[in-house]
Amino acid sequence: DTAVSQTPKYLVTQMGNDKSIKCEQNLGHDTMYWYKQDSKKFLKIMFSYNNKELIINETVPNRFSPKSPDKAHLNLHINSLELGDSAVYFCASSPSGSLWSGTKNIQYFGAGTRLSVL
Amino acid sequence: AQTVTQSQPEMSVQEAETVTLSCTYDTSENNYYLFWYKQPPSRQMILVIRQEAYKQQNATENRFSVNFQKAAKSFSLKISDSQLGDTAMYFCAFMKHTGSARQLTFGSGTQLTVLP
Repeated sequence: DTAVSQTPKYLVTQMGNDKSIKCEQNLGHDTMYWYKQDSKKFLKIMFSYNNKELIINETVPNRFSPKSPDKAHLNLHINSLELGDSAVYFCASSPSGSLWSGTKNIQYFGAGTRLSVL
Repeated sequence: AQTVTQSQPEMSVQEAETVTLSCTYDTSENNYYLFWYKQPPSRQMILVIRQEAYKQQNATENRFSVNFQKAAKSFSLKISDSQLGDTAMYFCAFMKHTGSARQLTFGSGTQLTVLP
């Protein structure tokens, strides 16, 4: 069973379109994340949710809107796609609780979604 | 803000040899975690090893070990008996505790190629 699954794996779309990437985790974790990996392979956090509540929101354009219907899901919706949005987007999850509690500091990543904006 | 620096964009090693990937970081935090993640061509991010900053003992996981120098803010990864399957991009990452979130800050990565 895949622990953190993202759909779709590949997404090709035209500039100006709106698209969504879905993420689901079956690990029972309370916290989920979105990371962006650009063309130079640089990974940067975008958002983090804990129990459906937004707790990290890095400097990301308003066109990006995360939505967490429940703690097992964190979807990413992108409006008015631009060429610069082309990247690989990773979803991740981790348990909550004290950072210093065993493996609660480990983040588990999905396989990534490669978004290509034409 | 934390920064993580990986000064070796690319490295290569012969199969069965040992290689060390370097990583330095900058933080004012005293308690934190450090990680090495591996990203093979499949794109999957795979945790290789982690180190708690409050532990002096260096972490080891089979062929993988770290040299953690807290005062120098250095966190290098040593891969022993390199295997072809170790070919991947390796990312060093720093984690701080922000409430209930664990925010990872990544370095720019080192592409490691294991040669037959």
